[in-house]
Amino acid sequence: QVQLQESGPGLVKPSGTLSLTCGVSGGSISTSNWWSWVRQTPGKGLEWIGEIIHSGTINNNPAFKSRVTTSIDKSKNQFSLKLTSVTAADTAVYYCARARSGSYQFEYWGQGILVTVSS
Amino acid sequence: DIQMTQSPSSLSASVGDRVTITCQASQDIVTYLNWYQQKPGKAPNLLIYDTSNLEKGVPSRFSGGGSGTDFSLTISSLQPEDVATYYCQQYDNLPLTFGGGTRVELK
Repeated sequence: QVQLQESGPGLVKPSGTLSLTCGVSGGSISTSNWWSWVRQTPGKGLEWIGEIIHSGTINNNPAFKSRVTTSIDKSKNQFSLKLTSVTAADTAVYYCARARSGSYQFEYWGQGILVTVSS
Repeated sequence: DIQMTQSPSSLSASVGDRVTITCQASQDIVTYLNWYQQKPGKAPNLLIYDTSNLEKGVPSRFSGGGSGTDFSLTISSLQPEDVATYYCQQYDNLPLTFGGGTRVELK
């Protein structure tokens, strides 16, 4: 059974960088699955941030412009998210998720991590 | 971006009631639509994929339908464990987008 676990600081200062890691267990990250970040806010609901696959190919949501960097570390079986120039609007629960191979059905999710942007 | 509009935003129904949630896409998404169930404090859980296919382990009282721009999720006989928020998600085009959610409560 594949399991995902987000980790990172729960508090980030405005204008700072949000950095999260998603550890994958129970399966390899080097598969044909895409690995995504999704966030949830009371105001905007569920919002897809972007995805990465083991080759390093990335697709990002243009809504985040150039603020998002996603990377993958196959040796540690994990992938990461960096979101720069954060504001209070970036306060959210951040989830990592795995899409089913060949599709965009999120079959596995992490438990989520609340990140608050505040000074 | 494709906008996904769910209705109602919340509903209250009795155990055994038939419940229907609708999801409308801002453009034709064929049948590239998934439904998720989310309980408080938990991550969303895949319920239905490709509009009408039940995920493994999902009770048969759940069903999905539609095509093009109009879709629906139906619970044929509401059970207490179905209290949750339900979200649709399109994957016809990137960026992937979700509906605003429908909160289902017991009357």
